Amino acid sequence: DAKTTQPNSMESNEEEPVHLPCNHSTISGTDYIHWYRQLPSQGPEYVIHGLTSNVNNRMASLAIAEDRKSSTLILHRATLRDAAVYYCILRAVRLSMNRDDKIIFGKGTRLHILP
Amino acid sequence: GAGVSQSPSNKVTEKGKDVELRCDPISGHTALYWYRQSLGQGLEFLIYFQGNSAPDKSGLPSDRFSAERTGESVSTLTIQRTQQEDSAVYLCASSLAGGGAYNEQFFGPGTRLTVL
Repeated sequence: DAKTTQPNSMESNEEEPVHLPCNHSTISGTDYIHWYRQLPSQGPEYVIHGLTSNVNNRMASLAIAEDRKSSTLILHRATLRDAAVYYCILRAVRLSMNRDDKIIFGKGTRLHILP
Repeated sequence: GAGVSQSPSNKVTEKGKDVELRCDPISGHTALYWYRQSLGQGLEFLIYFQGNSAPDKSGLPSDRFSAERTGESVSTLTIQRTQQEDSAVYLCASSLAGGGAYNEQFFGPGTRLTVL
């Protein structure tokens, strides 16, 4: 899987929007962009994923640059419970549908929410 | 339905002892992954099972580490002759078969291993 680059940490005020950036300049045309987050003392949980178009779900929005070399996870109104490490990951589409590839997690961005 | 479960939640052992960590994936998930996370670090891939295919063991750090999976259900990660540097949280995840770009991984709560 291609490499991603994220800031080590970010801070945001409670009840304000948060934009978490991710650079993936070596992304290939068949790579999907996935975001996971890990709350303190828990395993990671899926947040959102997309390919080219912006995506919205109940947790967040994903804005993907037109050239797909970067993306931004948007939390529209941060709460204290959103304090976590956020991981941006690329996952390739494989011709063989019987086997996935391992996910390579980087160090992610540690998001601090200020009350 | 039930999520991924792992046992034990905590394990304290002495250096040199063997340990077994267990993972119960979500029913119907044919893909199963083991990761470990040292304090303050990101996730490190260990091993991946997919159906009846040979597992991807490329992340196992040494031959003291091994894992087995019974069919498409329970998996056991075994660490022989534990060392202090093996202390970490060991996480298991499962997902639906194939099309990895589309399918999310569901993680268990992890087993915290402490080697004294």
